[in-house]
Amino acid sequence: QVHLQESGPGLVKPSQTLSLTCTVSGASIDSGSFYWTWIRQFPGKGLEWIAYVHNNVPGFTFYNPSLKSRLNISMDTSKNQISLRLTSVSAADTAVYFCAREKLGGTTFEYWGQGTLVTVSS
Amino acid sequence: QSVLTQPPSASGTPGQRVTISCSGSSSNIGRNSVNWYQQVPGTAPKLLIYSDYNRPSGVPDRFSGSKSGTSASLAISGLQSEDEADYYCAAWDDSLNGVFGGGTRLTVL
Repeated sequence: QVHLQESGPGLVKPSQTLSLTCTVSGASIDSGSFYWTWIRQFPGKGLEWIAYVHNNVPGFTFYNPSLKSRLNISMDTSKNQISLRLTSVSAADTAVYFCAREKLGGTTFEYWGQGTLVTVSS
Repeated sequence: QSVLTQPPSASGTPGQRVTISCSGSSSNIGRNSVNWYQQVPGTAPKLLIYSDYNRPSGVPDRFSGSKSGTSASLAISGLQSEDEADYYCAAWDDSLNGVFGGGTRLTVL
């Protein structure tokens, strides 16, 4: 069974950079053909797709156009992890951040992590 | 404001059939498949329906999906108390990102 676990700082100050990690167990992140995705859920419950990286096509990444200038997604196959960096955070970035595995290049998320809450506050 | 439009709430009594709608546009639902998720508060969403009407292994056949034009629907028949949750639709958009509905809170009366 594939298991995903997000980790992050919990609290970030405005204007700082948020770094999140998704550690995968039960499967190698570079096996098969999948899209490792980050999604966030705001306190009011709305979901927002953030970005994905394809596990076997170098450089194949897509970012939410509204966030693209602040985002970077990457994979570390030696640690079986997917990372997300979001720069210049503000209170609007306060959310629960999920990582998920997608199989069709769209929004078919078969496996999800439990999510990690990130609060942006001074 | 979400790209896909869902009613904020729905309700039904045990055994009833309820439907939840999801409205989009030609750049998302009109051109790409729709997926549905069930989320119990405090947990991650769970894939319920994929590619418009397919059920992953383990999802009861009480759950069904359909799509027509730029709208999609999730139907739940034989409503049970454990179906009380939030339901979200999702689709790929031609602007090259995923989009979600705002979610529908289902209450079993």
